[in-house]
Amino acid sequence: AQKVTQAQTEISVVEKEDVTLDCVYETRDTTYYLFWYKQPPSGELVFLIRRNSFDEQNEISGRYSWNFQKSTSSFNFTITASQVVDSAVYFCALSGGASSGSARQLTFGSGTQLTVLP
Amino acid sequence: DTGVSQDPRHKITKRGQNVTFRCDPISEHNRLYWYRQTLGQGPEFLTYFQNEAQLEKSRLLSDRFSAERPKGSFSTLEIQRTEQGDSAMYLCASSPGGLAGVFGYEQYFGPGTRLTVT
Repeated sequence: AQKVTQAQTEISVVEKEDVTLDCVYETRDTTYYLFWYKQPPSGELVFLIRRNSFDEQNEISGRYSWNFQKSTSSFNFTITASQVVDSAVYFCALSGGASSGSARQLTFGSGTQLTVLP
Repeated sequence: DTGVSQDPRHKITKRGQNVTFRCDPISEHNRLYWYRQTLGQGPEFLTYFQNEAQLEKSRLLSDRFSAERPKGSFSTLEIQRTEQGDSAMYLCASSPGGLAGVFGYEQYFGPGTRLTVT
């Protein structure tokens, strides 16, 4: 069975601070995919990034960066110079490879509520 | 390029009534998913369609739930004899088909249908 743990339920920062959201996953699959989604107050889940298990390169997109470490089964998300508009619930998710029983679904963590104060 | 749409956005019903939700995926996506999200939790997988075929169902999908995708385009999710425990946000997502047997594509979510059972 797959599992995603986001231990930080809520984080509050002041604008312009950097913030890291933690994600730890469990899977027996050798091929798997990791995702981050943002759910703003409007409620619609917005896709942010997808990584496969064979690509451990860190990725940067503007103020966002992701750190994937297979050795610790973690896929952490950092927002640099946070802004009020970053306030949202952020979800980490996992799906299996083609031969996995969980290839066709995303398993989500319980989310981290990020509040950025002006 | 329109995203995933869902209708209605909100539904209030009395316990014991039947309800039906509709999802229109992104037009070129042949994979469609339903999830349920309760307050403070991440979405939980319910079912998956590839074209018109329902290929996977979660144990969460009790006998009172049925989903269809008759022509491989839009999908409906029906809940019969609703219970208060069915109150949740029902999310639909779609993803590109890509190669048969290849998974791990990102899923794009609709705005959801919030169901309240009184």
